Amino acid sequence: AQKVTQAQTEISVVEKEDVTLDCVYETRDTTYYLFWYKQPPSGELVFLIRRNSFDEQNEISGRYSWNFQKSTSSFNFTITASQVVDSAVYFCALRPTNTGNQFYFGTGTSLTVIP
Amino acid sequence: GAVVSQHPSWVICKSGTSVKIECRSLDFQATTMFWYRQFPKQSLMLMATSNEGSKATYEQGVEKDKFLINHASLTLSTLTVTSAHPEDSSFYICSARLHEISYNSPLHFGNGTRLTVT
Repeated sequence: AQKVTQAQTEISVVEKEDVTLDCVYETRDTTYYLFWYKQPPSGELVFLIRRNSFDEQNEISGRYSWNFQKSTSSFNFTITASQVVDSAVYFCALRPTNTGNQFYFGTGTSLTVIP
Repeated sequence: GAVVSQHPSWVICKSGTSVKIECRSLDFQATTMFWYRQFPKQSLMLMATSNEGSKATYEQGVEKDKFLINHASLTLSTLTVTSAHPEDSSFYICSARLHEISYNSPLHFGNGTRLTVT
């Protein structure tokens, strides 16, 4: 089965706090890609990062960092020193390589950063 | 970067009428585009894969006669919601990949269309 689980439906943090958004995935494919997208209130989905299954190096981009752990099938996303503009719904997605064009999205985590 | 434009951003229509939504790739060609539907506070559900020059591929449970998809050119796909009903009210969002043959190519999304059927 191909599945992405984002157990946290809603999270609220106070500005400048760090926050981690969890993503757990299931796939039988040995090769796959993982993505994170941000959906602000305006609605469009913004691509944030991709990671392939062979690259477990963590990545940092400014205040964003991603922790990919294949052993636990997790691809968590941390925002450091959160800002109000980070308020959005964040989606984790899985793209196995043997399922054609299908992307599997989690149900999203709604993050609210309180000023 | 790759830009996908969707029009209109929002539309209100009466029951029984049809609504057309356009999805354009502005700076790249896309033989394949994807149409998603998103209910409030839920994830994206793939409705269909739009293929340039051929019929769309619909996901299970999606009525092809209800949601007509046309991919007339390498930069334009349209979704027509026919005989719309209030239950069709939703957020529809299209996407495309910049590099279609590359599995790691992310989806680039349009800004979405919020459809309200009264």
